[in-house]
Amino acid sequence: EAQVTQNPRYLITVTGKKLTVTCSQNMNHEYMSWYRQDPGLGLRQIYYSMNVEVTDKGDVPEGYKVSRKEKRNFPLILESPSPNQTSLYFCASSLSPQHYEQYFGPGTRLTVT
Amino acid sequence: GEDVEQSLFLSVREGDSSVINCTYTDSSSTYLYWYKQEPGAGLQLLTYIFSNMDMKQDQRLTVLLNKKDKHLSLRIADTQTGDSAIYFCAESIGSGGYNKLIFGAGTRLAVHP
Repeated sequence: EAQVTQNPRYLITVTGKKLTVTCSQNMNHEYMSWYRQDPGLGLRQIYYSMNVEVTDKGDVPEGYKVSRKEKRNFPLILESPSPNQTSLYFCASSLSPQHYEQYFGPGTRLTVT
Repeated sequence: GEDVEQSLFLSVREGDSSVINCTYTDSSSTYLYWYKQEPGAGLQLLTYIFSNMDMKQDQRLTVLLNKKDKHLSLRIADTQTGDSAIYFCAESIGSGGYNKLIFGAGTRLAVHP
């Protein structure tokens, strides 16, 4: 089944403890992206990747890192999480950077205390 | 700058039509989208319209685009309880060689008997 998977789906952590949220797609998509969803703000882009080893900042990149060493994986790294990073995170992918349709993962709900 | 606005809540009776409205600011948008988010799930592309179209119909869904007023609407005919979800309006803009999505805050549709 063609899909975008994220792990974990739920995570509660403490301030400053490094964490990684994994994202994987099995559709051989070139483009991948991370968003965060906050009430009243919709989805905002954190980082995106147009292909392997090519990543760039989105609209809200502060406090996050990403890497794209393989086409299928695009992990999101929080080196020192803070409470303002409590949010719902979505990974998405599309066939190419210009393709009209993005496929979204199921989301990761992160709570930082 | 880029901005997408939509009302936050809509309540309708089962069997009635629902109309969700959205306004956007970027006149160079290529595509405009409606995504559906059910509880605990990721975003699912419901429908989209190319910017040179005025209307698109897909079964119970009708999308109207008024480019002059930068207004997009989604009409759901014969609304059912299974339509209860958050609906996100989004516009795509060509940015740095990729299809960047700008999302509204989402409209929560509640369908009651």
